[in-house]
Amino acid sequence: QKEVEQNSGPLSVPEGAIASLNCTYSDRGSQSFFWYRQYSGKSPELIMFIYSNGDKEDGRFTAQLNKASQYVSLLIRDSQPSDSATYLCAVAPSFSGGYNKLIFGAGTRLAVHP
Amino acid sequence: DVKVTQSSRYLVKRTGEKVFLECVQDMDHENMFWYRQDPGLGLRLIYFSYDVKMKEKGDIPEGYSVSREKKERFSLILESASTNQTSMYLCASSLLTDSGNTIYFGEGSWLTVV
Repeated sequence: QKEVEQNSGPLSVPEGAIASLNCTYSDRGSQSFFWYRQYSGKSPELIMFIYSNGDKEDGRFTAQLNKASQYVSLLIRDSQPSDSATYLCAVAPSFSGGYNKLIFGAGTRLAVHP
Repeated sequence: DVKVTQSSRYLVKRTGEKVFLECVQDMDHENMFWYRQDPGLGLRLIYFSYDVKMKEKGDIPEGYSVSREKKERFSLILESASTNQTSMYLCASSLLTDSGNTIYFGEGSWLTVV
């Protein structure tokens, strides 16, 4: 079983719609959760991080964390073609201490069409 | 802004060659990482370092070694390159902290071994 799982996609949404990206993780003691965006041929860039159960909003992005169910999601409101990218979920497992040995999912490819 | 610089963006090497990938960060971060990224497999941790001259193996250290002689510089070494090491290599850095903290990535090094 993979430690961090994401649907590879592609997830195709029309411009202006809400894109919902999901991620599940296996280590119940995980404390920190990150979403990165990666454009083709580029390196990952941080979008959001979340530590506590519930929602965290930043502009058009909302991260949702449910530790009991071991999933974290990213919602993108008013999706734009420029949001088309691969979204990586990353988890800091409980054994990583302060060293940020993040475990990454394989990513979900999002395609926003006009 | 955090700057993580990978000096070599695109390399083509022959099987059996020794390969050095260099990475420099300018934010005085304690932690530095080397990942490789392959389609469908996501990012996999090769090695990380939490201090000068300190290193720990990640998930896939075989065939690689690292060097951290100065805090800002972390080098990945392929002692004898093989074709299965053709990949995108990402360097990253972060602060050492008790709670989760952000990992910042360099722009990546595309290595082709022929």
